[in-house]
Amino acid sequence: SQTIHQWPATLVQPVGSPLSLECTVEGTSNPNLYWYRQAAGRGLQLLFYSVGIGQISSEVPQNLSASRPQDRQFILSSKKLLLSDSGFYLCAWETGGRSPLHFGNGTRLTVT
Amino acid sequence: DAKTTQPTSMDCAEGRAANLPCNHSTISGNEYVYWYRQIHSQGPQYIIHGLKNNETNEMASLIITEDRKSSTLILPHATLRDTAVYYCIVSGNYGQNFVFGPGTRLSVLP
Repeated sequence: SQTIHQWPATLVQPVGSPLSLECTVEGTSNPNLYWYRQAAGRGLQLLFYSVGIGQISSEVPQNLSASRPQDRQFILSSKKLLLSDSGFYLCAWETGGRSPLHFGNGTRLTVT
Repeated sequence: DAKTTQPTSMDCAEGRAANLPCNHSTISGNEYVYWYRQIHSQGPQYIIHGLKNNETNEMASLIITEDRKSSTLILPHATLRDTAVYYCIVSGNYGQNFVFGPGTRLSVLP
């Protein structure tokens, strides 16, 4: 069966430090991959999505970037974190058509 | 993509049916209705989706009106573990068009 892994579960980073969050999907090929962010008490905001290796679409101009070095790996990065980057980061995947969007358990990032 | 309107919050007694409404009056012909829920501090969980016919699975039933301008998610026998935020999404495809609004916070009460 398909599974999605996100790590770490929680992260506390100082302002100005770099960030790397990783997401991997198992049990499927060529998934479409997504990064969402959820601020405290708010809805989900789509940050990036990818339909293939090296193909990244950015929805919100910001301090973050994404990369997809392998078919089932999606990485969210920042060179210098801001306080406003704090939030709950969620990775998700689907395989096209009307297949459901499956989410990982998320990473709670606190920038101090 | 069509926007959705949901009540901010609802309560339901444990063991009773929970009926969560969603208005999507601007839905277009190729757009599906999706429901997800998010339990505190977890990623959203897919529940069900449909186009125009009513749908049922092991988790819930989805009732879509004939004009498709509104729908209702039904949890037939709510339990305390069903307490969550429920999102109704209308979209013709994923990607940038799959938008999560604020949802409905359902509280199942003992």
